[in-house]
Amino acid sequence: DQQVKQNSPSLSVQEGRISILNCDYTNSMFDYFLWYKKYPAEGPTFLISISSIKDKNEDGRFTVFLNKSAKHLSLHIVPSQPGDSAVYFCAAGNSGGYQKVTFGTGTKLQVIP
Amino acid sequence: NAGVTQTPKFQVLKTGQSMTLQCAQDMNHNSMYWYRQDPGMGLRLIYYSASEGTTDKGEVPNGYNVSRLNKREFSLRLESAAPSQTSVYFCASSEGGMSYNEQFFGPGTRLTVL
Repeated sequence: DQQVKQNSPSLSVQEGRISILNCDYTNSMFDYFLWYKKYPAEGPTFLISISSIKDKNEDGRFTVFLNKSAKHLSLHIVPSQPGDSAVYFCAAGNSGGYQKVTFGTGTKLQVIP
Repeated sequence: NAGVTQTPKFQVLKTGQSMTLQCAQDMNHNSMYWYRQDPGMGLRLIYYSASEGTTDKGEVPNGYNVSRLNKREFSLRLESAAPSQTSVYFCASSEGGMSYNEQFFGPGTRLTVL
């Protein structure tokens, strides 16, 4: 039972345009969400997060939007750069106590120069 | 600071062999984790240690054992390797064990079981 789903395994975007990566979750207890970025042959690195008390969080070129009613979040990268080419994992957890995060399957983003 | 280090980087085993994957962090983090990454499956938690002296099962613990040797080190042992354990293994650590604590990952160990 995949509680965190990233339905697009891959995405190609032209340099300078917007990249939108999507993530859906099924567990209504999730109230904290994170995005990690992974380059080949490296471990994932934290990118940005959002709490369910917000519907948007921004950090430079990266913005995460949360739609709680739809159980959907998205990561926007504007403008996209070739160095953004990586696999992006969405993760979700519950902040009310010690809880593990659940990761999605990942979306491979390719930014074409 | 080295962050999270893992050894070995690559390993090939025959079915039935045993091995231990080593992980160490130098960030004085309390919590440590072992994940496996398989194509189309994302990152799945094998075991975690909320703090020194405690370990708990994650989503896919069967066939594995762990030891939190001290605050810095968290090892993963395969007692009798099976081809289904062919995967990339990542160790991670975080300051606390809450879901909002950013996890720091090691570079991974690529394991092939023949």
